[in-house]
Amino acid sequence: ILNVEQSPQSLHVQEGDSTNFTCSFPSSNFYALHWYRWETAKSPEALFVMTLNGDEKKKGRISATLNTKEGYSYLYIKGSQPEDSATYLCAPKEDSSYKLIFGSGTRLLVRP
Amino acid sequence: EAGVAQSPRYKIIEKRQSVAFWCNPISGHATLYWYQQILGQGPKLLIQFQNNGVVDDSQLPKDRFSAERLKGVDSTLKIQPAKLEDSAVYLCASSLELAFTDTQYFGPGTRLTVL
Repeated sequence: ILNVEQSPQSLHVQEGDSTNFTCSFPSSNFYALHWYRWETAKSPEALFVMTLNGDEKKKGRISATLNTKEGYSYLYIKGSQPEDSATYLCAPKEDSSYKLIFGSGTRLLVRP
Repeated sequence: EAGVAQSPRYKIIEKRQSVAFWCNPISGHATLYWYQQILGQGPKLLIQFQNNGVVDDSQLPKDRFSAERLKGVDSTLKIQPAKLEDSAVYLCASSLELAFTDTQYFGPGTRLTVL
């Protein structure tokens, strides 16, 4: 079972602030990285799937980058809004089992 | 398109009792997953089905947990008997197929409290 680390564990920011989180994973046998957003009392929602070193994905104010050689991905939120408050989970797939191995997440709270 | 449905949403039981959760995946999705998410941790895969066959159940505590997927559609996850450490959110997810880039769509989860 590979070790996936996310930092920080939690983050409190003011509305309008930009913020970023890190997902670290072993770089060997990398296949894909998934990012999910999980709001309280709702279903986890897929944000991005990334596969290639140097990949950059964007969805509105949220973007992500991927470095497969050093084993990390960054998630950025520009101009945070209260509705961005959620837990952000990353999950690499590193072998042929197709399993997602989730990190423990970064809990973001955006204060109005 | 209807999402992944799960029931019940909440369940409180005493230790040593039994409990069952139900999941209805998105229509046409061949792959179904059950995850356990303990407070402060990420979701952990318990079992993965491809149609009605098991692909991976390596992290399922088989002495007390069982799961089935009848006719390759709905699925049930059972715990018998429950322990205190089974308190968690149980998430069901489905995807179109088995692929590295295939998105998993999650249900709202069942929050289980074992007293």
